[in-house]
Amino acid sequence: GAVVSQHPSRVICKSGTSVKIECRSLDFQATTMFWYRQFPKQSLMLMATSNEGSKATYEQGVEKDKFLINHASLTLSTLTVTSAHPEDSSFYICSAPRQDQNTEAFFGQGTRLTVV
Amino acid sequence: DAKTTQPTSMDCAEGRAANLPCNHSTISGNEYVYWYRQIHSQGPQYIIHGLKNNETNEMASLIITEDRKSSTLILPHATLRDTAVYYCIVKKSNTGKLIFGQGTTLQVKP
Repeated sequence: GAVVSQHPSRVICKSGTSVKIECRSLDFQATTMFWYRQFPKQSLMLMATSNEGSKATYEQGVEKDKFLINHASLTLSTLTVTSAHPEDSSFYICSAPRQDQNTEAFFGQGTRLTVV
Repeated sequence: DAKTTQPTSMDCAEGRAANLPCNHSTISGNEYVYWYRQIHSQGPQYIIHGLKNNETNEMASLIITEDRKSSTLILPHATLRDTAVYYCIVKKSNTGKLIFGQGTTLQVKP
């Protein structure tokens, strides 16, 4: 079945540095991918829609200059958390729907970001 | 997309059926009901979806009321590994965008 791979699964970085998270669709092309953030004991919050070949669409309240999204190819989207701070520590998850089916979106395994 | 309402938490005995309800009274005619679950510290996993007919797959059954204002996810023989947060989401079919509510935390007990 279709798989979405996310890398890295865990990352610890120093405050002020940037971290890049990759999301790949492994056996299908995804013109659209989605990025979510999840704080402990809370639900997933949609951050942005990543569009291949065009700018990402950000949800209200999400800073586009802080969370840079690049959808470089039909199988890869990246989320870069710039100038990370401890409050950015969270679980980041991507998803990609198959365009050829009226079915579910597939999720990556998530990235646990800890900013120290 | 229509909003959904689910109980915050439920318990179920191992081996018994788990019935998870969801209310979606404002669902429109072209919106589907989707169910996902999230096991701790993992990405969500698709379970099942439907429009108006009941659906069954290897994981679960989905029962949608005739007026489509509510549905029930049934796990026929719950195991300890089914302990997770279950999300009921209503959305149109032509978008992969999912808006998650708080979901139901299902605890399967031995």
